[in-house]
Amino acid sequence: GQQVMQIPQYQHVQEGEDFTTYCNSSTTLSNIQWYKQRPGGHPVFLIQLVKSGEVKKQKRLTFQFGEAKKNSSLHITATQTTDVGTYFCAGLGYQKVTFGIGTKLQVIP
Amino acid sequence: DTGVSQDPRHKITKRGQNVTFRCDPISEHNRLYWYRQTLGQGPEFLTYFQNEAQLEKSRLLSDRFSAERPKGSFSTLEIQRTEQGDSAMYLCASSSPTGLLLGSYNEQFFGPGTRLTVL
Repeated sequence: GQQVMQIPQYQHVQEGEDFTTYCNSSTTLSNIQWYKQRPGGHPVFLIQLVKSGEVKKQKRLTFQFGEAKKNSSLHITATQTTDVGTYFCAGLGYQKVTFGIGTKLQVIP
Repeated sequence: DTGVSQDPRHKITKRGQNVTFRCDPISEHNRLYWYRQTLGQGPEFLTYFQNEAQLEKSRLLSDRFSAERPKGSFSTLEIQRTEQGDSAMYLCASSSPTGLLLGSYNEQFFGPGTRLTVL
């Protein structure tokens, strides 16, 4: 079945440092979505990538979808304390949604 | 508030009891998803509906779990004969129509979840 691996599981950074989380699927995906979950909260949609090799930016966040549509990354430039939370990728196949385990980001002021 | 709502927010039950959760999606959304999330894990897909049709059900879901969406609006998730391993946060999400084939998706809007504790 479809499996989605995400690394690292935890990341501590000093405020102002960059952060990257990686997502790898065992199967070719239709789309990939990224979500952020604050402590005690529910997942909130960040972005969806659909095309092979697609790159999208949202302010300090850069999202990439691999050429083979099996991997993706989220990069945050110059982290801020408001970036704290767990970042999940969700791989979307035919009628199937698989979330990664998430990367928990801690930002040290 | 026109977001996704879930009821109850918390449920404590004894092992062996049945529980039912309700999800009210955003009104114009035709897709509704149920997930289970335990501490330190990502949401685990349980099932999803397009309108009233249940299109996919996780193979991980035992026969004790059943979900319905009778009129294509709200949905219920029932767990029969609860076990301690069922303790988790149960999340509901909805998404708007894509207008395309079943293989396409829009962003999912999550509700606040129902936290189940089985004693």
